[in-house]
Amino acid sequence: DQQVKQNSPSLSVQEGRISILNCDYTNSMFDYFLWYKKYPAEGPTFLISISSIKDKNEDGRFTVFLNKSAKHLSLHIVPSQPGDSAVYFCAASDNYGQNFVFGPGTRLSVLP
Amino acid sequence: EADIYQTPRYLVIGTGKKITLECSQTMGHDKMYWYQQDPGMELHLIHYSYGVNSTEKGDLSSESTVSRIRTEHFPLTLESARPSHTSQYLCASSVEAGGSGELFFGEGSRLTVL
Repeated sequence: DQQVKQNSPSLSVQEGRISILNCDYTNSMFDYFLWYKKYPAEGPTFLISISSIKDKNEDGRFTVFLNKSAKHLSLHIVPSQPGDSAVYFCAASDNYGQNFVFGPGTRLSVLP
Repeated sequence: EADIYQTPRYLVIGTGKKITLECSQTMGHDKMYWYQQDPGMELHLIHYSYGVNSTEKGDLSSESTVSRIRTEHFPLTLESARPSHTSQYLCASSVEAGGSGELFFGEGSRLTVL
């Protein structure tokens, strides 16, 4: 059973608009979350993280929101750029040292 | 920028061959991982190591084996490759296993078994 879910396999957004990628988790012990970006034939690169003591973390065009009660987080990209087109993975872990668990990813296409 | 390297990047081999995928990192990280990823699917942890001479199997069953004789080196071996082993293999390292740590990934090795 998937502990980390990304229910949208793909998303298309116009350049300059906001991209919102969603992630849901089932394990209530998860308290640390990361977003990774992956281009084809490359390894994932770290984007942004959030700890459960926060509900928002911002880094430039990227903002992650965490709703612990709903076990839901989202990544907002504003403004979206064509170079943002990639697969985005959500990952989760807990403070007890459990290895990171990844979702299946969402393919984002930013159209010029 | 992360200093973690994987070779080969691409490999096409025949069934029954033995292969080793290399992974090296220069960050001095104790923890290293191998993930397997098929297109459109999540990354599945197949092996991990928390230090020299320590290796564990991950969540996804795998016929591969690993070794950790040196901190910086974590090779993955398939004794007899089969078409079902066709996949992308991603090596990663971190300071922490979870918590507030971050995984640094190599560029991946894409294996095709004919």
